[in-house]
Amino acid sequence: EVQLVQSGAEVKKPGESLRISCKGSGYSFTSYWISWVRQMPGKGLEWMGRIDPSDSYTNYSPSFQGHVTISADKSISTAYLQWSSLKASDTAMYYCARRVATTFDLWGRGTLVTVSS
Amino acid sequence: QSVLTQPPSVSGAPGQRVTISCTGSSSNIGAGYDVHWYQQLPGTAPKLLIYGNSNRPSGVPDRFSGSKSGTSASLAITGLQAEDEADYYCQSYDSSLSGPYWVFGGGTKLTVL
Repeated sequence: EVQLVQSGAEVKKPGESLRISCKGSGYSFTSYWISWVRQMPGKGLEWMGRIDPSDSYTNYSPSFQGHVTISADKSISTAYLQWSSLKASDTAMYYCARRVATTFDLWGRGTLVTVSS
Repeated sequence: QSVLTQPPSVSGAPGQRVTISCTGSSSNIGAGYDVHWYQQLPGTAPKLLIYGNSNRPSGVPDRFSGSKSGTSASLAITGLQAEDEADYYCQSYDSSLSGPYWVFGGGTKLTVL
């Protein structure tokens, strides 16, 4: 089955670091870029950035540049989204999505990140 | 403020037809980039509903259709059903000076009366 499997929900304190993951299966992981999309509680979708798993080239939305880091390990077909110092405003659902042309045809189920003291 | 503008909400009775608009600019929809639509049922991940302005992925009913003209696009749903109650998002690609990057509309909540 073609799917993106995301890591489980996380509860963190402000200032802590975090890395969440997205594992692709059932397809050639290096053939498709992976994007990360944020959805804050009760809000819409925001594109954060993307990675080409074949060479780990990334680019970010200006809104997220410098705040998060996207990486990938093609040997295990996994993409990552990480923070070095979380803020309460990072509380959101985070989705990974596979890019085909200019659209996203396959989505993970999401990882809920809660940041609270 | 989203780059693409959608109405916050629309509603319709079962069996009726509703449309959801998506307005962009010359750096995204107006630049010729395709518009795509996603359906997000409550508590679930978004699902691709329409791609390339008007194409339906396998399994999407033909009650859903999309169109694009100039700097805008529309999603139409005919024969409205209770199961269509969801949030709908348009998405395109933007080539402005701060880009390029993918952009979403703010989302439209469809209520089936």
